[in-house]
Amino acid sequence: DIQMTQSPSSVSASIGDRVTITCRASQAISSWLAWYQQKPGKAPKLLIYAASSLQSGVPSRFSASGSGTDFTLTISSLQPEDFATYYCQQANSFPITFGQGTRLEIK
Amino acid sequence: QLVESGGGLVKPGGSLRLSCADSGFTFSEYYMTWIRQAPGKGLEWVSYISSSGSNIYYADSVKGRFTISRDNAKNSLYLQMNSLRADDTAVYYCAGDLTVVSAKWFDPWGQGTLVTVSS
Repeated sequence: DIQMTQSPSSVSASIGDRVTITCRASQAISSWLAWYQQKPGKAPKLLIYAASSLQSGVPSRFSASGSGTDFTLTISSLQPEDFATYYCQQANSFPITFGQGTRLEIK
Repeated sequence: QLVESGGGLVKPGGSLRLSCADSGFTFSEYYMTWIRQAPGKGLEWVSYISSSGSNIYYADSVKGRFTISRDNAKNSLYLQMNSLRADDTAVYYCAGDLTVVSAKWFDPWGQGTLVTVSS
């Protein structure tokens, strides 16, 4: 199975800050990676697919990059609605696996 | 667009059948999945089914106990859960893979249905 490891597990930041979350795969997955945002009590929301493609309707302050084993999600200027938990997910092979999540909190 | 139902409280060793009904997209054309989230924990993929139902995949943690199926005529996805254990307690989400290449990233998602396994 491909293990996905996110860092940090949690981060505190202020409105307007730039934040980067990292996801590392235990083996190469090319660009078969997605990022999701989840708010408490809600279903996850797809933000990024194919490692760097922005899902329709997602604000352009979200961006992502990477291929192979190392990936990043960046929020360029944090807005109040961005405080949530973020998950990466590999789509390279079964079993599909998720990172453990990164909780983004208000400083 | 996706609405789950069928969750509830069940005793260890019991069974439950979850349903996921679609409205708003061409259900029969797309792959579907179940993903769960234990209370306070992260996301865990459970099962995945092709548009026709001919290709099915399971996580090892549920293989042999859970069965995914679909009825395209009813725009519905199902998860039959048998031999339930306490560690199956979770919110279960259905989600669609609307890519034409079965890329295995998921949007839309249902609102989730809570399954609690406890005596």
